[in-house]
Amino acid sequence: KQEVTQIPAALSVPEGENLVLNCSFTDSAIYNLQWFRQDPGKGLTSLLLIQSSQREQTSGRLNASLDKSSGRSTLYIAASQPGDSATYLCAVPGGATNKLIFGTGTLLAVQP
Amino acid sequence: NAGVTQTPKFRILKIGQSMTLQCTQDMNHNYMYWYRQDPGMGLKLIYYSVGAGITDKGEVPNGYNVSRSTTEDFPLRLELAAPSQTSVYFCASSYGDSLYGYTFGSGTRLTVV
Repeated sequence: KQEVTQIPAALSVPEGENLVLNCSFTDSAIYNLQWFRQDPGKGLTSLLLIQSSQREQTSGRLNASLDKSSGRSTLYIAASQPGDSATYLCAVPGGATNKLIFGTGTLLAVQP
Repeated sequence: NAGVTQTPKFRILKIGQSMTLQCTQDMNHNYMYWYRQDPGMGLKLIYYSVGAGITDKGEVPNGYNVSRSTTEDFPLRLELAAPSQTSVYFCASSYGDSLYGYTFGSGTRLTVV
């Protein structure tokens, strides 16, 4: 059974710091991995989608890497800003339905 | 570009009442999904649909029903609301399965008292 774990559960950093969020999954036979951002009381916004054939994807200050063999992905945020404060979720297709299975997220607070 | 639209945004139900959560998308996506999100937990899949007229159970379908009469709409029905159904509900859609990204609606916050 596919399980997705995100560490740490919460993270607080000062503005300008570079940071890494971690995501691990138990079944490496995945088609892709997706990172989402969720603001308080809001829906999920897709940040990056990494296909299984790719090792990383970049969008602005965000860079996500994927290592299928070790069952890990990292989301790197460069030069963090208070506006980056949100919960970050990773998800992979899996389970009996092969639909997205989500981690519980990392709550990020960037202090001005 | 409306994307995925959910209504209502908030609702309070009494135990035993029924309601329908509406979801519509304008991206001509074949696949649509309903998830619930409980505090401190990840999103759990309730039901999904791979096209008009086709629906299937997800991980936590009990207490819910869905229909998919058109490509655009995927309503979620609660027949006898229970406190355990207090949650935030998200609808999502995708062009296809697995290889494609998901687009989410902004959610419906439901409280059952």
